[in-house]
Amino acid sequence: DAGVTQSPTHLIKTRGQQVTLRCSPKSGHDTVSWYQQALGQGPQFIFQYYEEEERQRGNFPDRFSGHQFPNYSSELNVNALLLGDSALYLCASSLVDREGTQYFGPGTRLLVL
Amino acid sequence: DQQVKQNSPSLSVQEGRISILNCDYTNSMFDYFLWYKKYPAEGPTFLISISSIKDKNEDGRFTVFLNKSAKHLSLHIVPSQPGDSAVYFCAGSSRPDGLTFGKGTHLIIQP
Repeated sequence: DAGVTQSPTHLIKTRGQQVTLRCSPKSGHDTVSWYQQALGQGPQFIFQYYEEEERQRGNFPDRFSGHQFPNYSSELNVNALLLGDSALYLCASSLVDREGTQYFGPGTRLLVL
Repeated sequence: DQQVKQNSPSLSVQEGRISILNCDYTNSMFDYFLWYKKYPAEGPTFLISISSIKDKNEDGRFTVFLNKSAKHLSLHIVPSQPGDSAVYFCAGSSRPDGLTFGKGTHLIIQP
């Protein structure tokens, strides 16, 4: 039973560029949430997708957008990258209405230079 | 405005003794509380959760206690083992919002 997978594992970009991160949820899960974890901080909620729609959004600017596909996998897109976007980006999957228990992937570490 | 606070950045405990990790929250809308464990270069791993209508949940060596009146929860690990050394995150859940995490406590188990 495959857990949550994310790609790529590491990424280096320069300011102003755009990036796309990918996530495949745990088998049987239909809800995907994205988090940003800066150094020394806990993960911060970006948004959640269910049935290919953004269901809820945290306090992140519109530069952060996402998508969910019919197979429940998801992408996180960040436009006009800033130095402050450097962080570990975590994807978590769950079953709808049981979001309390979310299972996390290993994350994608993004460095913006 | 931190809704979930873990005031101890680190905690050192001897192997075999009890580890107690603390967490305070301000959001009364949380309906579940969760503890996650994180090793370097890995995503957080779910450990144990507790519903806001309960005051205790136990799973093996891990027990979580919730004091709603004090808006405080704690994770007890008994006995502590070397493999327990990791960063522990407390999180609150209020559907349909995502999880709100604390900053974490680095637990170090000493032999």
